[in-house]
Amino acid sequence: SQQGEEDPQALSIQEGENATMNCSYKTSINNLQWYRQNSGRGLVHLILIRSNEREKHSGRLRVTLDTSKKSSSLLITASRAADTASYFCATVNNQAGTALIFGKGTTLSVSS
Amino acid sequence: DTEVTQTPKHLVMGMTNKKSLKCEQHMGHRAMYWYKQKAKKPPELMFVYSYEKLSINESVPSRFSPECPNSSLLNLHLHALQPEDSALYLCASKGRGGGSEAFFGQGTRLTVV
Repeated sequence: SQQGEEDPQALSIQEGENATMNCSYKTSINNLQWYRQNSGRGLVHLILIRSNEREKHSGRLRVTLDTSKKSSSLLITASRAADTASYFCATVNNQAGTALIFGKGTTLSVSS
Repeated sequence: DTEVTQTPKHLVMGMTNKKSLKCEQHMGHRAMYWYKQKAKKPPELMFVYSYEKLSINESVPSRFSPECPNSSLLNLHLHALQPEDSALYLCASKGRGGGSEAFFGQGTRLTVV
């Protein structure tokens, strides 16, 4: 089962530009998390935003959360070629216990 | 140590073979998970272990058999797989509560021939 839908599915930008990815989810949440996956490898946690937070920053990452619209966005500023990866939002689905359920993901390609 | 270690990294098996995937973590996490990921798709939850007990099985076929021998280890036993089972199998662990991040292994790339 998938909880979220990301858009765009694919994004190609130049180094130095900003990248924005959006995620929508279906059920009520306690928090929403963003993960990054380099090609064919494990996922790495980027940032967690709680349901009572509207915005959170970590380095070049900025995450927003709108619980009324059941949506979140991830902004990567001043992108680098090394940011090329797939990005997934994830939420905890009460039916799956503590497990994360992932959205469809956005594939980001940053060219130099 | 914040690593989740999965072995093997790559596995090619025939449809009549029996093999096992292994996952190990030493972070004291009591929740461990198996996910399956096909190319260009998100990870899909297969099994959830909580305190070494299977708590969720997401309608996974019986040819996949999970096992949690202790709080640090998680196995996935494979038998009579089909070519469509070829995928990246990811193990993850998580601390207490829904508000914590998950740590993922690098995955096992499985090819069924």
